[in-house]
Amino acid sequence: DAGITQSPRHKVTETGTPVTLRCHQTENHRYMYWYRQDPGHGLRLIHYSYGVKDTDKGEVSDGYSVSRSKTEDFLLTLESATSSQTSVYFCAIRNDRGSPGYTFGSGTRLTVV
Amino acid sequence: GEDVEQSLFLSVREGDSSVINCTYTDSSSTYLYWYKQEPGAGLQLLTYIFSNMDMKQDQRLTVLLNKKDKHLSLRIADTQTGDSAIYFCAVPDAGGTSYGKLTFGQGTILTVHP
Repeated sequence: DAGITQSPRHKVTETGTPVTLRCHQTENHRYMYWYRQDPGHGLRLIHYSYGVKDTDKGEVSDGYSVSRSKTEDFLLTLESATSSQTSVYFCAIRNDRGSPGYTFGSGTRLTVV
Repeated sequence: GEDVEQSLFLSVREGDSSVINCTYTDSSSTYLYWYKQEPGAGLQLLTYIFSNMDMKQDQRLTVLLNKKDKHLSLRIADTQTGDSAIYFCAVPDAGGTSYGKLTFGQGTILTVHP
């Protein structure tokens, strides 16, 4: 287990408010990713990071920003939440050591009302 | 970028085999993955196959890879009710600057009937 935790697990917020989701890993993996999951779309990449302060946009980055000031933490911020950002958000890390693969957090269910 | 397609639904009887299919567009990916998601849970790595292999077997799971047709399949033998879940095919973007970004299929909802 790569030791990846997401917080909060659930959040309800109002339209127009900023929201920050946190992803924390304990094993020093270099690559981290934020995905959102919506019915019929699978998982879509929002942003990713390939090192401290090195981040880039994914497929669905509009309305989102990220920061990675430490290896272990990757933050996703919704600058001004909209109802279209109601979704389940998953953080993932790419395993740098051992078997290939990606480990996912348990997810954050975000509802924007 | 990568494009990954899966059928959305599969229904089988307990004890039968299940086959979930996936097609992708970029054949230069090194590994291809299958993930399982149970209701309300995160994604669990089920198995993976290296791109120079045609087949990989792991207990009840068999992965077949046809690189020419860019087709990946997952076979579950003796399917059980506990196998009911969403199954995702996932393919890393290839290339030196891809940073290992994963592209997922839409997910196949497997329903196993007693």
